[in-house]
Amino acid sequence: NAGVMQNPRHLVRRRGQEARLRCSPMKGHSHVYWYRQLPEEGLKFMVYLQKENIIDESGMPKERFSAEFPKEGPSILRIQQVVRGDSAAYFCASSLRAADPSTDTQYFGPGTRLTVL
Amino acid sequence: QQQVKQSPQSLIVQKGGISIINCAYENTAFDYFPWYQQFPGKGPALLIAIRPDVSEKKEGRFTISFNKSAKQFSLHIMDSQPGDSATYFCAASYGGSQGNLIFGKGTKLSVKP
Repeated sequence: NAGVMQNPRHLVRRRGQEARLRCSPMKGHSHVYWYRQLPEEGLKFMVYLQKENIIDESGMPKERFSAEFPKEGPSILRIQQVVRGDSAAYFCASSLRAADPSTDTQYFGPGTRLTVL
Repeated sequence: QQQVKQSPQSLIVQKGGISIINCAYENTAFDYFPWYQQFPGKGPALLIAIRPDVSEKKEGRFTISFNKSAKQFSLHIMDSQPGDSATYFCAASYGGSQGNLIFGKGTKLSVKP
């Protein structure tokens, strides 16, 4: 039973390029969360998606960042025109969203480490 | 109000000792308080979690103590082992385990043999 998968694990981009980060949730999970971790910092919530819907994007920067979770395929976090300040580790988590929250958990992937040159 | 403050930033403990990490919050709407363990180059893994209707939860060597009136919670690692050396994050959310997690800045624990 594979866990949350993210790719690529490492991504290097030059300023102004686009970065695409992919997240495949655990089998049976239809809820995905994206978090960003700056060096020596805790994780910061970015966006929460269900299949084909953005539920909460309150943590997403207003410009250059977008996320989707299509009916088929992985969730994608897209960063356009990257800047040096975008360098960070990006983690996704998935959950089953069970009816009983006491049985639910967010499982994290290994992260994508983005470096902007 | 959305912050979770975690201390200490780093902690060194001898093997067999007790590691204690503390967190404080302001938002009384938070209803789920998990602790995550993260090894270098890996994603965070859920260690143990508590809800505000319980004052203590124990799983093996890991115990969460929760003080609702003080708006504080802490992680105790008994009989600390070198394999426990990692970064530990406390977090909080409203909406239970399904809510967006607000993380502390982390505590880097080093257990010396």
